[in-house]
Amino acid sequence: SQQGEEDPQALSIQEGENATMNCSYKTSINNLQWYRQNSGRGLVHLILIRSNEREKHSGRLRVTLDTSKKSSSLLITASRAADTASYFCATEAGGSYIPTFGRGTSLIVHP
Amino acid sequence: NAGVTQTPKFQVLKTGQSMTLQCAQDMNHEYMSWYRQDPGMGLRLIHYSVGAGITDQGEVPNGYNVSRSTTEDFPLRLLSAAPSQTSVYFCASSPQVTDTQYFGPGTRLTVL
Repeated sequence: SQQGEEDPQALSIQEGENATMNCSYKTSINNLQWYRQNSGRGLVHLILIRSNEREKHSGRLRVTLDTSKKSSSLLITASRAADTASYFCATEAGGSYIPTFGRGTSLIVHP
Repeated sequence: NAGVTQTPKFQVLKTGQSMTLQCAQDMNHEYMSWYRQDPGMGLRLIHYSVGAGITDQGEVPNGYNVSRSTTEDFPLRLLSAAPSQTSVYFCASSPQVTDTQYFGPGTRLTVL
């Protein structure tokens, strides 16, 4: 079964707004990764955050990790139409190091 | 570097046929994996390999075989195709299992 699950399943916003999506997981992890998938393409890595980190930034992306709540969030600030994609979190499955993916959040940014 | 390459891009099979999906990487990565992506199901892990000569099963291995005779190549074999195997297949690689994964462009497979 999938270790991580993203929420919401779908998100629709206007250009310029912020987009927040969450990932919850079941067992303790060493790291958590966020990926983006444009329609019909392979996944592209965004950010890796380790269990001893609480926050990481990359451009307009901000990822937080709360290990006590077993959850992570991805914030995209000042969204653009080009941010329209599906976003996935990847965590280790059940204590192993093997990464597994959730079902993803589908983000639509309207121009 | 070409990164992770997958062939073919599209394939149509009849039930019962067998075929091999090819995956290659030129980054000298130890970890390679195969996923299938179905609508509403996200990516599910089929098989993975932590190095040449070592393979293991993921979440949905039934109906698929893999081998890893070289660091570069990780082919996925469908033994007897079934309509339930209609999906988009992605291959990925990373330096080690805990590192960032690099994905191929995918193979869209339809089984009639």
